Amino acid sequence: DTAVSQTPKYLVTQMGNDKSIKCEQNLGHDTMYWYKQDSKKFLKIMFSYNNKELIINETVPNRFSPKSPDKAHLNLHINSLELGDSAVYFCASSQGQGQGEAFFGQGTRLTVV
Amino acid sequence: GESVGLHLPTLSVQEGDNSIINCAYSNSASDYFIWYKQESGKGPQFIIDIRSNMDKRQGQRVTVLLNKTVKHLSLQIAATQPGDSAVYFCAENRQQGYSTLTFGKGTMLLVSP
Repeated sequence: DTAVSQTPKYLVTQMGNDKSIKCEQNLGHDTMYWYKQDSKKFLKIMFSYNNKELIINETVPNRFSPKSPDKAHLNLHINSLELGDSAVYFCASSQGQGQGEAFFGQGTRLTVV
Repeated sequence: GESVGLHLPTLSVQEGDNSIINCAYSNSASDYFIWYKQESGKGPQFIIDIRSNMDKRQGQRVTVLLNKTVKHLSLQIAATQPGDSAVYFCAENRQQGYSTLTFGKGTMLLVSP
């Protein structure tokens, strides 16, 4: 059984479109995250939710809006996509905030053309 | 040998050698550290962790050393195998009002048979 699953795995879209990436974890964790990995493999946290509440919102454009319908799901919606949004986006979850290992999904490679 | 350039720092070793991957962290208040392995096309996977009240921790074929004086972490892999080829990241639990895992820049490990 996949612990953290995100869909889709690949997403190619045109500039200006709106798209969503979904994430679900079946580990019973309280905290979920979105990370962005650029072409140099640098992993940067974007958002963190604990029990459906936003606790971290790094300097991310407000075109990015996370939504957590319940503590097992954290979806990422992106409006008006730009070329610079092209990256691999990882969802992760952990029990507690930063005090234990985070489990990562397999990533969504977003390509904006 | 080890090289740093425009791309990821890369460590190239022969199968059977011991590998040492280094990481410098910036926040002296960080109290928890994790090493992750990321294979091509996959999300980061937990390898080993260490809390700030320890200076060494051993796992199966891996050892993490923590030097808080100089804010330095290292990951030692014994008898490196081709399957160890991946990008390795250190992450620190950075305290800044909230706890979050912050990743360092990765190091690519290439193991030749």
